[in-house]
Amino acid sequence: GENVEQHPSTLSVQEGDSAVIKCTYSDSASNYFPWYKQELGKRPQLIIDIRSNVGEKKDQRIAVTLNKTAKHFSLHITETQPEDSAVYFCAPIASGAGSYQLTFGKGTKLSVIP
Amino acid sequence: EAQVTQNPRYLITVTGKKLTVTCSQNMNHEYMSWYRQDPGLGLRQIYYSMNVEVTDKGDVPEGYKVSRKEKRNFPLILESPSPNQTSLYFCASSLRGGKLFFGSGTQLSVL
Repeated sequence: GENVEQHPSTLSVQEGDSAVIKCTYSDSASNYFPWYKQELGKRPQLIIDIRSNVGEKKDQRIAVTLNKTAKHFSLHITETQPEDSAVYFCAPIASGAGSYQLTFGKGTKLSVIP
Repeated sequence: EAQVTQNPRYLITVTGKKLTVTCSQNMNHEYMSWYRQDPGLGLRQIYYSMNVEVTDKGDVPEGYKVSRKEKRNFPLILESPSPNQTSLYFCASSLRGGKLFFGSGTQLSVL
């Protein structure tokens, strides 16, 4: 199956600073690259995603960038706020390839210090 | 309201007593899957299904069974639970492997 590595595993930032989380994957057939946010005691929810025909996507304070050649994609959060504190997961997938065995990154715990 | 409904939220049982966790979605999604979440290990896929009567193993299928007799339902069955299956379980669905919609989770404790 896909080998997915996510770094860092923990990240502390001051409120207002930026945060970057990187996800590296092994399957060159991967073509869908989502990021999920899981607040304490809640279910994971998609916050942003990108497909392989696009290099970058932005939604207000969050953005995702993709480097298919190097097989990694990154989550960028600018002007961080305390409500950004959560665990973030990446889960690249080869959508449409006929198999949807899915491997998540182990997660990044982001703490935003007021 | 579009949602994935998972029951129960909490379950305490004893070793060897068969149990079923139910999962149902109302979005007509083809793809459904089960995950367990353990501290430090993230979310690991147990089983997934790409359509009715089609199921496949994920990364950690041992000790679990699933069935997909109807498109909307995808129950997780533990025929003989053991303490190492104590975990937080999530069901999820999507359209052909896209954005995942998660259920609210089931915290299982096997004594």
